[in-house]
Amino acid sequence: GAGVSQTPSNKVTEKGKYVELRCDPISGHTALYWYRQSLGQGPEFLIYFQGTGAADDSGLPNDRFFAVRPEGSVSTLKIQRTERGDSAVYLCASSIDGNYGYTFGSGTRLTVV
Amino acid sequence: GEDVEQSLFLSVREGDSSVINCTYTDSSSTYLYWYKQEPGAGLQLLTYIFSNMDMKQDQRLTVLLNKKDKHLSLRIADTQTGDSAIYFCAESLGAGGGADGLTFGKGTHLIIQP
Repeated sequence: GAGVSQTPSNKVTEKGKYVELRCDPISGHTALYWYRQSLGQGPEFLIYFQGTGAADDSGLPNDRFFAVRPEGSVSTLKIQRTERGDSAVYLCASSIDGNYGYTFGSGTRLTVV
Repeated sequence: GEDVEQSLFLSVREGDSSVINCTYTDSSSTYLYWYKQEPGAGLQLLTYIFSNMDMKQDQRLTVLLNKKDKHLSLRIADTQTGDSAIYFCAESLGAGGGADGLTFGKGTHLIIQP
């Protein structure tokens, strides 16, 4: 597609449930990033993929968060045992090589009730 | 650790210049970025500057970098109502430019008065 696509655009889940958020990067972009943006804050880095491997996952807040990119294209961010504090907009971005800035998707708004 | 600070609000009159300021802490940052976020939309890269540059101009946008003071600014000439948005300053987390991920400020809300 022309841009970075994220699905769903909105997700409401109950505390304790498992959720998956999907990101479809721009075709040919090898670098893929996940960020989390809470209300009134700037985006917070979670994880960066170069190809299929996680080059840097230092931003993942705890072991409830996990992300995969098995074929080097689509990525899924997985959150286990969701907590109310996980409520935020989860942003995905992709880049040709990771430099000179990158293209963000519109995000998935996750609400944990 | 890295930290990026910005004023939360800036109000300017239509047609005037807007200057949005940012300070950062990591002197090893190789690239610094400005992103724009409109309501309900994703972040849009406006411009970036390499750390060995003092200034970069791109149409109505001028970026100034004072590396000694770790101060970055974005000047928007002839501000229009369409410039109303949140502007985020960001620095690269490591020496790999943007490849290592970015640290963002909290954003400056630019408000345009008619």
